[in-house]
Amino acid sequence: SQKIEQNSEALNIQEGKTATLTCNYTNYSPAYLQWYRQDPGRGPVFLLLIRENEKEKRKERLKVTFDTTLKQSLFHITASQPADSATYLCALVGSDMRFGAGTRLTVKP
Amino acid sequence: DTGVSQNPRHKITKRGQNVTFRCDPISEHNRLYWYRQTLGQGPEFLTYFQNEAQLEKSRLLSDRFSAERPKGSFSTLEIQRTEQGDSAMYLCASSLSAGTGGQSNQPQHFGDGTRLSIL
Repeated sequence: SQKIEQNSEALNIQEGKTATLTCNYTNYSPAYLQWYRQDPGRGPVFLLLIRENEKEKRKERLKVTFDTTLKQSLFHITASQPADSATYLCALVGSDMRFGAGTRLTVKP
Repeated sequence: DTGVSQNPRHKITKRGQNVTFRCDPISEHNRLYWYRQTLGQGPEFLTYFQNEAQLEKSRLLSDRFSAERPKGSFSTLEIQRTEQGDSAMYLCASSLSAGTGGQSNQPQHFGDGTRLSIL
């Protein structure tokens, strides 16, 4: 069956460090992969989209990689700040759209 | 603010009652999606519309659930004969799509959801 796994439910890092979040999938062939941020009690907010033929995408302090051989996407936040604390969701877009369960990131000052 | 608006934000009801939620998408968006999200999980797709046409429904969607988008603008999601397991956050999202069907790669803009609690 199709499965999307995001690394550990929670990730704690120190301010200024780089946060790396992982999204692995099985039995799925997404054409696109999107990353969203979700704050408590709010809806997800779109951050970045990467296509299957793209290896890497950047936006300000954010970087996404997409490896269709490994069936994995990595999401990096460089120079992390306490304001980056949130849950980050990956979403795979293929024949349908599926979200992972998310990783809760806490950046400590 | 021209974002996605959902009402009500919270709904508490007794088991067996019917509930209806409303979603007002971003006005120029032709696609509208409904999702359900439970604690610690990502949004789970329920159904989507392109303009007024309902193009896809999840196999997981019980026949107690029905959604409409009568004029291709706002949408309603109704749950009949609510059950304890229906307690969740119901999210609406909208996007633009140039295609006439299938998944779109366009970012989805989400509302802040309606939290449903079944007593």
